[in-house]
Parts: sequence; structure tokens; C-alpha cells
Amino acid sequence: KQEVTQIPAALSVPEGENLVLNCSFTDSAIYNLQWFRQDPGKGLTSLLLIQSSQREQTSGRLNASLDKSSGRSTLYIAASQPGDSATYLCAVPDSGNTPLVFGKGTRLSVIA
Amino acid sequence: DGGITQSPKYLFRKEGQNVTLSCEQNLNHDAMYWYRQDPGQGLRLIYYSQIVNDFQKGDIAEGYSVSREKKESFPLTVTSAQKNPTAFYLCASRGLAYEQYFGPGTRLTVT
Repeated sequence: KQEVTQIPAALSVPEGENLVLNCSFTDSAIYNLQWFRQDPGKGLTSLLLIQSSQREQTSGRLNASLDKSSGRSTLYIAASQPGDSATYLCAVPDSGNTPLVFGKGTRLSVIA
Repeated sequence: DGGITQSPKYLFRKEGQNVTLSCEQNLNHDAMYWYRQDPGQGLRLIYYSQIVNDFQKGDIAEGYSVSREKKESFPLTVTSAQKNPTAFYLCASRGLAYEQYFGPGTRLTVT
């Protein structure tokens, strides 16, 4: 069964810093990988979806990379802002196109 | 506006009562999901449905029931058999690119 791990569990950085969040998964035969953002008490907002055939996806200051062979993905956030403070989760299907398995997330605090 | 709605946002119930959480989507998605989120536990899958009139148990289905009579709706009933029902419940649907979209969640408190 797929397992997803996110490191670190929490991260605090000063405003303007570039940062990297890590996600690893145990079964490399994934269909895709999705990064989400969750604000306290809210639902999840999809940030980036990387299909298995892709190496990376970019949206504004966010860049997500995928290395299937090593079972890893990174989310790079450039020039961080206080508004980026949230919990970031990554998720992959258990197998094929089945329901997502989530990591426990990285709680990010960007200090002004 | 297309999206997923969940109601109510907050729900309070006495122990021993069944309660139904609503989830509606107007995205025309076939697949829908229910997750439970507890502090420090991450999201755990309760039930999912790939198509109308069909659904499968997730990892923690005991004490829960669902129905999928319409494509747009996937209500979740938390029964009195669920030992620890207090949690944040999230509904999601899946698009054509296999991207999941989430509703705003319902926070259930049982006392």
C-alpha cells in the first residue's frame, strides 16, 4: 500500500526566502502527484498536478518537480510571503487512478 | 460558479444520534470522495464513489454510510456506531485529468 511522507512537518522562514518542501512516496508506479494548500479550518486548494509523464509544473512562484524513480517530489516556493503561510500537502493515488493517499503535510509560517 | 458545496459548516450533535453531512457538486464529475481529518493524522478516506449508484469503502468506513443516487450529490451519514465522530469532514470530486477538488469542509462535534 502506498505511503506518503512529508518533511519537514513544520517550517518557519523570514519573508522573501526561497524554500523547498519535500514529499516522498513508497510505490513509484504512480499515475500523478498533486500538491495542495490548506488554510486553518478550510478545505484543500489544488496548487499543482503533475502527471506521471511530466518532470515538473509551474504556477506563478510555485514549481513542483517529480522524480518517479526515486519516489520524490519537491515544491519550490520563490520569494515567500506571509500570505503563503498554510499547510501544504502532497498526494498520490494508491494505485492507478484510485483514491489519493495523502502525506500529513508541512505547516509553513512565513514571518514578515 | 462551479464547485463543491458542503453543509453545514459546523454541526453539533449529541452522542447516539445519527447525522448526515451534505456534499453537492456542479462540476459534472463522476467520482466523489469523503475524507476525515484529525489533528496530526492527515486525511483518511472514508468512502468513495466512481459512478452513480456505486460506492466503495475506504480505509475507515466503519460507523459511516453513504448513498449516490444522483451524480451531483454524495451525502455521508455518521451513525451512532462511529466511536469517535468528532472531526473535520472533507468532500472531494475528481476531474477528467484526475485532479481532485475539495469542498470547504464540515466540522462535526459530538458531545
